[in-house]
Amino acid sequence: DAKTTQPPSMDCAEGRAANLPCNHSTISGNEYVYWYRQIHSQGPQYIIHGLKNNETNEMASLIITEDRKSSTLILPHATLRDTAVYYCIVRGSYGNKLVFGAGTILRVKS
Amino acid sequence: NAGVMQNPRHLVRRRGQEARLRCSPVKGHSHVYWYRQLPEEGLKFMVYLQKENIIDESGMPKERFSAEFPKEGPSILRIQQVVRGDSAAYFCASSSGTGNEKLFFGSGTQLSVL
Repeated sequence: DAKTTQPPSMDCAEGRAANLPCNHSTISGNEYVYWYRQIHSQGPQYIIHGLKNNETNEMASLIITEDRKSSTLILPHATLRDTAVYYCIVRGSYGNKLVFGAGTILRVKS
Repeated sequence: NAGVMQNPRHLVRRRGQEARLRCSPVKGHSHVYWYRQLPEEGLKFMVYLQKENIIDESGMPKERFSAEFPKEGPSILRIQQVVRGDSAAYFCASSSGTGNEKLFFGSGTQLSVL
């Protein structure tokens, strides 16, 4: 699976959009981009995933560049409860495990 | 729908004892993954199982650790002769195995070795 690069930490004001970047320049054609988050010591929580088109669900939006070498996770209106470690993961085809990197610590501040 | 259930939530063992961690996947899921998170560290993959089969155990320590996912019942992660370095949070995830499916994680078992 391709490696990802994320900033170690980011701050965001409550109520503002949080934009979390991820680089995955070695991604191959059949690999998806997944985002998970881990709040404190809880189990990781799925947020969103995509292949090449932008995706949106009730939690977030995922913007993938046309060359697929990078992506951005957008939390449209961050709240204090969104403070967590956010993981961008590139995952291969069926059955492959998720390989977690260091992620980005997002701190939402009032 | 019940999510991934892990028990116990907290487990305390003395050095040399055995630890057995249980994971009941989401109903209908036949794929289970185990991860370990040492204090102040990231999540590390340990093992991936399908019913009655180990698919990928590349992250499992060579000694003392074993995992199973029987035809009936939960998946079990077994650690024999625990040492203080085994103290960590152990997370289980499950999926349907249908291709690019999401993994759903449990709340984890916090193992403390005295």
